[in-house]
Amino acid sequence: DAGVTQSPTHLIKTRGQQVTLRCSPKSGHDTVSWYQQALGQGPQFIFQYYEEEERQRGNFPDRFSGHQFPNYSSELNVNALLLGDSALYLCASSAYRGSYEQYFGPGTRLTVT
Amino acid sequence: AQSVSQHNHHVILSEAASLELGCNYSYGGTVNLFWYVQYPGQHLQLLLKYFSGDPLVKGIKGFEAEFIKSKFSFNLRKPSVQWSDTAEYFCAVTPSGGYQKVTFGTGTKLQVIP
Repeated sequence: DAGVTQSPTHLIKTRGQQVTLRCSPKSGHDTVSWYQQALGQGPQFIFQYYEEEERQRGNFPDRFSGHQFPNYSSELNVNALLLGDSALYLCASSAYRGSYEQYFGPGTRLTVT
Repeated sequence: AQSVSQHNHHVILSEAASLELGCNYSYGGTVNLFWYVQYPGQHLQLLLKYFSGDPLVKGIKGFEAEFIKSKFSFNLRKPSVQWSDTAEYFCAVTPSGGYQKVTFGTGTKLQVIP
């Protein structure tokens, strides 16, 4: 049973560029949440997708957008990258009508230069 | 909006010492509480969780946590730590019911010295 997978593992982008990160949830899960984890900090909630709609959003600007596909996989898009967007981006999946337990992927390390 | 405070940023213990990591949350309603652990080079994994019922919950690897509603606390404990417990520990909270917006604390780095 594959857990949560994320791609790519690492990414280097230049300021002003756009980036797309991908996540495949654990089998049986229908909800995907995205987090940003800066160095030395805890994960910060970006947003959550369920039934292909954004259901909850944290304090992130509109430059951060997402999508969920019918197979429950998800993408995180960040436009107009800033140096401060450099972080580890974590995807977590869960079953909406389950135990609220979130399973985390290994993350995508984004470096903006 | 909910928030989580972890007061210990870096803890150093010798093997066999007892551990207690503090976690306090702020939220006006009922909550679900979690402790996650991140071992070096690995991704976040759930250590234990509290939803309702017995406020003393037991997790994996001998960890336990106690929910004290009156103190808005959910402290993590282990009677005797091992070198393999060296990791970063995160407390997290989410409002009960509905969509699962999880708020994490800033984490506590635990270093266990053999």
